[in-house]
Amino acid sequence: TQLLEQSPQFLSIQEGENLTVYCNSSSVFSSLQWYRQEPGEGPVLLVTVVTGGEVKKLKRLTFQFGDARKDSSLHITAAQPGDTGLYLCAKLGAQKLVFGQGTRLTINP
Amino acid sequence: KAGVTQTPRYLIKTRGQQVTLSCSPISGHRSVSWYQQTPGQGLQFLFEYFSETQRNKGNFPGRFSGRQFSNSRSEMNVSTLELGDSALYLCASNPGQGGYGYTFGSGTRLTVV
Repeated sequence: TQLLEQSPQFLSIQEGENLTVYCNSSSVFSSLQWYRQEPGEGPVLLVTVVTGGEVKKLKRLTFQFGDARKDSSLHITAAQPGDTGLYLCAKLGAQKLVFGQGTRLTINP
Repeated sequence: KAGVTQTPRYLIKTRGQQVTLSCSPISGHRSVSWYQQTPGQGLQFLFEYFSETQRNKGNFPGRFSGRQFSNSRSEMNVSTLELGDSALYLCASNPGQGGYGYTFGSGTRLTVV
């Protein structure tokens, strides 16, 4: 059972465009992480959000944690081919991470 | 600081065999957790070890087991391999004191034929 729903599952856009991917849950979570995974590699942690309404920026990436702490979004401005990858959200549980299914993002030059 | 090292990177096994995968965490990290990644199920938690003790276990059959050594290195074992065990197996290193920072290794790609 997936506790985290990510949308869209696949996204293919042109370089320079903006995009937003979403991570939703039916239950409140205390904290959420976003990861990016490239083919043949493990996920790399991008950010951890803890407080409802929190917004964090990482260069062209903006992460938002919903006020009710049941959803989160990742917005990429002026996407570049290097942003291509699988974006995963993960809920922090007891000594474990529970992942969404991921959004596979392709940025075309 | 060296990252998380997983060996081997690739493995091909036959149904019914068993396999052992290894993970060396970041120096000083005492928690190692294991995940299975497949196209259909995504990333699924297998188990977590801290100071040689299993603290949490996912919903996998008993064929999947693991252990952690005193130097924090961890191994996972899968016995009686099935075709459905083909996956990328990832381990994650964490300081283990309630911190949020998980660092993943590059994984072991297991193919069962």
